[in-house]
Formats: sequence, structure tokens, C-alpha cells
Amino acid sequence: SQTIHQWPATLVQPVGSPLSLECTVEGTSNPNLYWYRQAAGRGLQLLFYSVGIGQISSEVPQNLSASRPQDRQFILSSKKLLLSDSGFYLCAWSVRRTGGNYEQYFGPGTRLTVT
Amino acid sequence: AQSVSQHNHHVILSEAASLELGCNYSYGGTVNLFWYVQYPGQHLQLLLKYFSGDPLVKGIKGFEAEFIKSKFSFNLRKPSVQWSDTAEYFCAVILYGQNFVFGPGTRLSVLP
Repeated sequence: SQTIHQWPATLVQPVGSPLSLECTVEGTSNPNLYWYRQAAGRGLQLLFYSVGIGQISSEVPQNLSASRPQDRQFILSSKKLLLSDSGFYLCAWSVRRTGGNYEQYFGPGTRLTVT
Repeated sequence: AQSVSQHNHHVILSEAASLELGCNYSYGGTVNLFWYVQYPGQHLQLLLKYFSGDPLVKGIKGFEAEFIKSKFSFNLRKPSVQWSDTAEYFCAVILYGQNFVFGPGTRLSVLP
């Protein structure tokens, strides 16, 4: 079965410091990978998605970037964190099922607090 | 652009009450529809999904949802809620070949 890992689970970083959040998926190959930010009362905001190694699409211009160095690894980064980067970050993967239908599954998330 | 709306921001029910959470989407083409649930301190989990066929789909923990194409709706229901159903519920839509779009979520509080 497929599993998705994210680390760290929680992170407290000062303003201006760099960020690296990692997500890995097991049990599947060539998944679509996603980074979301979840804010209270605002649902999930798609930040980046990737359909393959080195292929990154950004949905929202911001202080963050993403990379996909390996098929099942997706990294969210920042060179200098802002206070507004605080939030709950979720990694997800999706797979296309028979008949062209998609399903999406989420990792446990990382709670980032920028101080 | 496609969008997903959820009718209620916060719903408060007593145990054994019936639940219906509304979800509407804006696109008229072929869609896949999902409800996700996030229990306090836990992952987002898939509750149920609709791809095609019978518009009434059943999910885990006694939840069901009905797809009404003419109303662009996919409402979530449960005949009798329990305290353990306290969670945040998200409706999501994906168009063929595009990305998932999530609603803003509905927080459900069930009073014992």
C-alpha cells in the first residue's frame, strides 16, 4: 500500500531563516505530488504541484519554492522566511485510476511557526 | 475558474441529530467529487468519492453523499451523528486533467 511521509511534524523558525520541508511517497511510482497550505477557515490553498522529476508548477506567487529531485520526493523551500509563511503545510499525492479518475491522499502535515 | 463552495462555516449539532453539509461546484463538465475529513490533530482522510454511476455514494463511518448534476451539488449526509464525528469536513472537485480544488471547509461540532 502507498504511504506518504512528511517531516518535520512541527517547526519553529525565526524570520529570515531558510526552510526545507520534505515529503516522500512509498508504494507508487510517477505520482503527481502537491504542496498545500491550510489556513483556518480558508480550506486548502494549492501552492505547487509536480507531474514528474524536475517539473514544478506554481499556483500562487510567494516566498516559497518547490523541487522534485527524485520521483517520490517533493521538497518545499524558502531562502528567507516571513511571518506570513506560518501555517500548516500538507503534502499530497494523486494517482490516476482506471477510467481516468483521480484520487488524492495527504500526508500528516507540518506545522510551521515563524517567529 | 472552477470553485467549490461549502454552505456552512461551522455547524453545531447534538448527538443523534441528522447531518447535511452542503457542497456546490462551479464547473459543468465531467468531474470527480470527494469529501475529506480531518479529525482534530489528524491527517486529512478520504471519506468518500464519486466518479460515475450511482449518484448516491456511501463512505466510511456511516456517511453518504449524493451527486445532483443539475444542481452542481455533492452534499454530505449522516442520519445520526456521534461525538466522534467532530471534525472539519472538506469538499473537493477535480476536473479531468486538472488539479483538485477544495472548498473552504465546514467545522462540525457534535455536543455529547
